Amino acid sequence: KAGVTQTPRYLIKTRGQQVTLSCSPISGHRSVSWYQQTPGQGLQFLFEYFSETQRNKGNFPGRFSGRQFSNSRSEMNVSTLELGDSALYLCASSELAGGTDTQYFGPGTRLTVL
Amino acid sequence: AQSVTQPDIHITVSEGASLELRCNYSYGATPYLFWYVQSPGQGLQLLLKYFSGDTLVQGIKGFEAEFKRSQSSFNLRKPSVHWSDAAEYFCAVGPPGYSTLTFGKGTMLLVSP
Repeated sequence: KAGVTQTPRYLIKTRGQQVTLSCSPISGHRSVSWYQQTPGQGLQFLFEYFSETQRNKGNFPGRFSGRQFSNSRSEMNVSTLELGDSALYLCASSELAGGTDTQYFGPGTRLTVL
Repeated sequence: AQSVTQPDIHITVSEGASLELRCNYSYGATPYLFWYVQSPGQGLQLLLKYFSGDTLVQGIKGFEAEFKRSQSSFNLRKPSVHWSDAAEYFCAVGPPGYSTLTFGKGTMLLVSP
């Protein structure tokens, strides 16, 4: 099976712009989670989706939003970008929600905000 | 709120020597516990996980971890380190019922010849 795919892999934006990141889970996986990784804050949970429903949300401002489509693909959007949004954004998928299934991580999207 | 502490930011181990990476967690009940590894430019790969049962958990690549409830610890061990094990290691906890993970800050493992 193909692994978790994230597009684009690298992105450069300027402050104030918005950005959309995409995640395609492993075929058959219905749960998708997003994480932000920065040198200062480490890995922080953003969202968890299962069957198009957001099950959980991390402590991020409303500028961060996401959604999941009927084919389980997920997108996250960041509006009004700030310098501090520069990070590696990781997506993970699993067959089921609930935490017992192994989560498989994608390679991430490296976002740089100038 | 749940939290994870990995007290060692960097560890250097000689190739062939044993390894122990420390992880302490804070959680109201018994959480789900995980160890992940991240190589440069890569995503995270699951090494092992603990939900319940036997407190000694075997994982991939020869790694094991032991859950100690009394010490709120989940330390990762490997009897003999290989140069290819050099990477960053993350301990994580998750609330039962959710895929949400809270990660530690990570421990960078360096392997010397």
